[in-house]
Amino acid sequence: GAGVSQSPSNKVTEKGKDVELRCDPISGHTALYWYRQSLGQGLEFLIYFQGNSAPDKSGLPSDRFSAERTGGSVSTLTIQRTQQEDSAVYLCASSPLRGDNQPQHFGDGTRLSIL
Amino acid sequence: KNQVEQSPQSLIILEGKNCTLQCNYTVSPFSNLRWYKQDTGRGPVSLTIMTFSENTKSNGRYTATLDADTKQSSLHITASQLSDSASYICVVSPMYSGGGADGLTFGKGTHLIIQP
Repeated sequence: GAGVSQSPSNKVTEKGKDVELRCDPISGHTALYWYRQSLGQGLEFLIYFQGNSAPDKSGLPSDRFSAERTGGSVSTLTIQRTQQEDSAVYLCASSPLRGDNQPQHFGDGTRLSIL
Repeated sequence: KNQVEQSPQSLIILEGKNCTLQCNYTVSPFSNLRWYKQDTGRGPVSLTIMTFSENTKSNGRYTATLDADTKQSSLHITASQLSDSASYICVVSPMYSGGGADGLTFGKGTHLIIQP
């Protein structure tokens, strides 16, 4: 597949559990972004990785949220002790580099529901 | 705070008709403005990217315009098709001197429904 791949596509879990969301960016893309999309809201930036630079974590809403990017490719977003307000679609995007005019290529997201 | 406001919030038109979606922003200075199409249950797909020096860009039946003086952009869809039913999202990228911050500001989108 040539596009950004996210898994799982849907995740239902109980409040208080930890969840891990995975993103496989397009091969060769050095920039990777995580966003959260709540119903009726615009995309909310969470975290940004660019090559081997330190990630920009300024969008993470709390210390329950963390993300890693291993080997400059696959990324995982982890939410610990999930709360109901964490229910949303989590979108991952990648681009060739962080250049201002580079289009972002999005995956189809993980729909997370916290019961 | 940088903002991107889109209107209308939702729109229903008949197949074959044209429509125009609006985007007003306060991001300044800005580097580029993007329009994305997001089908239900899918990720956004880039339609157009315009730098601050461009005032129009087309992608098939989609034409985006930009007025950097009034901080307004529009997306015009010609001869609409059922497959145009989607949310259309305006995104503004700020100009900044460096650092790792993303800074992209997303509008909430216009939900467009094309009726046969």
